[in-house]
Amino acid sequence: GEDVEQSLFLSVREGDSSVINCTYTDSSSTYLYWYKQEPGAGLQLLTYIFSNMDMKQDQRLTVLLNKKDKHLSLRIADTQTGDSAIYFCAESSPSGGSYIPTFGRGTSLIVHP
Amino acid sequence: SAVISQKPSRDICQRGTSLTIQCQVDSQVTMMFWYRQQPGQSLTLIATANQGSEATYESGFVIDKFPISRPNLTFSTLTVSNMSPEDSSIYLCSVRTGHEQYFGPGTRLTVT
Repeated sequence: GEDVEQSLFLSVREGDSSVINCTYTDSSSTYLYWYKQEPGAGLQLLTYIFSNMDMKQDQRLTVLLNKKDKHLSLRIADTQTGDSAIYFCAESSPSGGSYIPTFGRGTSLIVHP
Repeated sequence: SAVISQKPSRDICQRGTSLTIQCQVDSQVTMMFWYRQQPGQSLTLIATANQGSEATYESGFVIDKFPISRPNLTFSTLTVSNMSPEDSSIYLCSVRTGHEQYFGPGTRLTVT
């Protein structure tokens, strides 16, 4: 099946920028998503990007897409302790007409003072 | 967007018993999904539940073990039947509106 890969951990200092990386294998990926999961909570949709875009910015969040390399990144500017969470990358493609996302295993972001 | 609630939020159950998880959405949606999230793992899709049709199960999941109801466009249930400790997991309800997919808070199930 198709794969979405992420590094498992990232540790940053408060105030620094965080960059979470993701690679995927499905060349027909159409939408790429970033979700945030805080302890004991469900997944919160942070942002998503359509495959014909290479960048999307939303306040402190910047998503970069390199479709040629099948690489997606999420940059969080001025990282705060409240950003500590697990971040999931996901991609969806029109396979079978369903666009059901495939998720990575999540990157645990730890923000320390 | 969509706001999703799930009941119960957590439960501890004995092996061999069954648990039904409820999912309520604040708007009418066609496509509803059930996922499982095991510790340190990615989300695994159990089934897609569309109103008015039988649920479609992913490989490795069967209706006898995970029966699903979808009586209307705002509600669904997932039953985890004849539970074993391997069923201990977080179960998440999800809906799609357009190209955005939203998740409920999850039901944390522990089977002893």
